[in-house]
Amino acid sequence: AQKVTQAQTEISVVEKEDVTLDCVYETRDTTYYLFWYKQPPSGELVFLIRRNSFDEQNEISGRYSWNFQKSTSSFNFTITASQVVDSAVYFCALSEIFTTRDNYGQNFVFGPGTRLSVLP
Amino acid sequence: NAGVTQTPKFRVLKTGQSMTLLCAQDMNHEYMYWYRQDPGMGLRLIHYSVGEGTTAKGEVPDGYNVSRLKKQNFLLGLESAAPSQTSVYFCASRTFPDGSNTEAFFGQGTRLTVV
Repeated sequence: AQKVTQAQTEISVVEKEDVTLDCVYETRDTTYYLFWYKQPPSGELVFLIRRNSFDEQNEISGRYSWNFQKSTSSFNFTITASQVVDSAVYFCALSEIFTTRDNYGQNFVFGPGTRLSVLP
Repeated sequence: NAGVTQTPKFRVLKTGQSMTLLCAQDMNHEYMYWYRQDPGMGLRLIHYSVGEGTTAKGEVPDGYNVSRLKKQNFLLGLESAAPSQTSVYFCASRTFPDGSNTEAFFGQGTRLTVV
């Protein structure tokens, strides 16, 4: 089963519209971390936010805001008044501690990404 | 201010050839990861390392080997390249100061084409 689901494959909006990118995760851990990354057309991965499982406060950073809801295992990302420069692929990621017979560590699992196109 | 550096940035291989991708980080991070990125599939974990001298399999390890002889370097090897390994490869590193959990820092990626 996919640990991180981003159901929206592609979204197109017109500049200045608000847009929300959905992220649903699956974990058995009580301690875990969630992340959002942006991948612009140039290809690099840009870190946007980190949130731990004990901090359910929503966060706002300029035009960006994040809504973390443990009850629904969701960590959604909203861009307010979108701009053309926001066009990118956005990834949600989950980090949890895992232990198997052969491995121990903290994994870092990505969702499939949502491609956002902001049209002028 | 290097962070995570991947070499090479681009490579074209013929089927059956071998090659090694190098990832170097200068942040003294414990964890290092190799991912591959394919259209519509996000980043999938190939192998990772929790420290010098240790490696472990990720989600899609077949056809790849890794080594971490030095803390700052994490090598990804393709012994006999196949067209299915055409992808963009990303290396990342992380640390865990005081038990907390930082974001992963990524290299610029290596675009590999196997013909």
